[in-house]
Amino acid sequence: EDQVTQSPEALRLQEGESSSLNCSYTVSGLRGLFWYRQDPGKGPEFLFTLYSAGEEKEKERLKATLTKKESFLHITAPKPEDSATYLCAVQAYSGGYNKLIFGAGTRLAVHP
Amino acid sequence: NAGVMQNPRHLVRRRGQEARLRCSPMKGHSHVYWYRQLPEEGLKFMVYLQKENIIDESGMPKERFSAEFPKEGPSILRIQQVVRGDSAAYFCASSPGASGSTDTQYFGPGTRLTVL
Repeated sequence: EDQVTQSPEALRLQEGESSSLNCSYTVSGLRGLFWYRQDPGKGPEFLFTLYSAGEEKEKERLKATLTKKESFLHITAPKPEDSATYLCAVQAYSGGYNKLIFGAGTRLAVHP
Repeated sequence: NAGVMQNPRHLVRRRGQEARLRCSPMKGHSHVYWYRQLPEEGLKFMVYLQKENIIDESGMPKERFSAEFPKEGPSILRIQQVVRGDSAAYFCASSPGASGSTDTQYFGPGTRLTVL
C-alpha cells in the first residue's frame, strides 16, 4: 500500500536554528514528490516538486532533497515567518491517473 | 491569473441540513480534486473530477456525499443530511491535467464546515 510518513510531528526552533524535516515513502510508480506549506486557516501552498533521487531544489531558506526512500526539507537560519505546517505528498500513477498521497505534516514553530 | 476559488469560506449547518461547497479551478485547469482535512490531520482525498466526469470517487463516503463538475460553472461538493462528524475543512485543488507526467495540484483557501 502506498504510504507517506512525516517526522517529527511537531518541531520547535529558535530563530536562526537550522534543522530538517523528514518525509519517508513507500510507493510504486513514483511520478514526483511534492512539498507544500500550509498556514493556519489557509490552503496548502505549493513549494517544490522533486522527480528523481539526487535532485535538490531551493527557495529562500528552504532546500528540498530526494532519495529513493525519503525526502528532506532543510530549513537554514529560520525566521518566525517560516512557522507553518509543511506537507509532503507523493504522486503515483494509479487507477489511470497521477494520484497524490499526503503525509500528516510537520508543524513547525520558530520563536524569536 | 486568479488562483483556485472556493466559496463559502465558512459554512454553518444544523444536523440534517444540506451543505453545498463550490470550487472554481484556476484558469486553464480542467481537473478538480476535493480533499477533507480534520484538525491536526493530513489531507484525505475524496474525489477527482474532470469536466462532466467523475474519474475517481474512492475516497468519498458512499452515502450523503456527491460531487459534480458541470460543463459550465464551478465544481460542487454536496453533503446531504449533515452530521457532526462532517465538520471539517474541505479543500479543492485544480491541475492542468498533464497526462503521462507529473501534474501539480494548486489548492484553494478551503471551506470550513461546522455542523451544530
